[in-house]
Amino acid sequence: GAVVSQHPSWVICKSGTSVKIECRSLDFQATTMFWYRQFPKQSLMLMATSNEGSKATYEQGVEKDKFLINHASLTLSTLTVTSAHPEDSSFYICSAPEGAYTEAFFGQGTRLTVV
Amino acid sequence: GQQVMQIPQYQHVQEGEDFTTYCNSSTTLSNIQWYKQRPGGHPVFLIQLVKSGEVKKQKRLTFQFGEAKKNSSLHITATQTTDVGTYFCAQGAQKLVFGQGTRLTINP
Repeated sequence: GAVVSQHPSWVICKSGTSVKIECRSLDFQATTMFWYRQFPKQSLMLMATSNEGSKATYEQGVEKDKFLINHASLTLSTLTVTSAHPEDSSFYICSAPEGAYTEAFFGQGTRLTVV
Repeated sequence: GQQVMQIPQYQHVQEGEDFTTYCNSSTTLSNIQWYKQRPGGHPVFLIQLVKSGEVKKQKRLTFQFGEAKKNSSLHITATQTTDVGTYFCAQGAQKLVFGQGTRLTINP
């Protein structure tokens, strides 16, 4: 199956700093990628849709100025958590489907801890 | 958007016992996908169901999609310790809406 690589796997940062997370599709081109957030023992909640060459679309309640998404190429999307606070600590996962109604390939996830 | 309700939230079984998790929707679903997430890992695709009444099997796993396409189930026969994890149903074309997940733990 297709491979989606996410980096870093984990990061600890100080409150008020910014953290960038990368999501790459290694063997296929992804014009669309998705960013999810998962709090401990909870489900995955979609945060935003990353669109290559255009602005990301955010789900209701997700602050676009706090979670900056850039989809600069057909294989790379980045999520930057700006001015991180402890409540932003979570597991962030990207996914890239190869098409509609096909399986979604997930990155390994990034565990963010803000101290 | 469409929501899928998944039950139970937790299930603890003895190794060798069966396990079932259910997903329900108040509206007709175009598809249902099932994923498994091991502790500390990311979701891994198991299967997709699209047809009314569809039943698919993968070794000890049996997946069903209801006749009305409003519910689905995943049944594991004779659980093994490798089955531990959280099982999620999800629906959508590319953007997925996940159920709450069922965390399966197994007593060896």
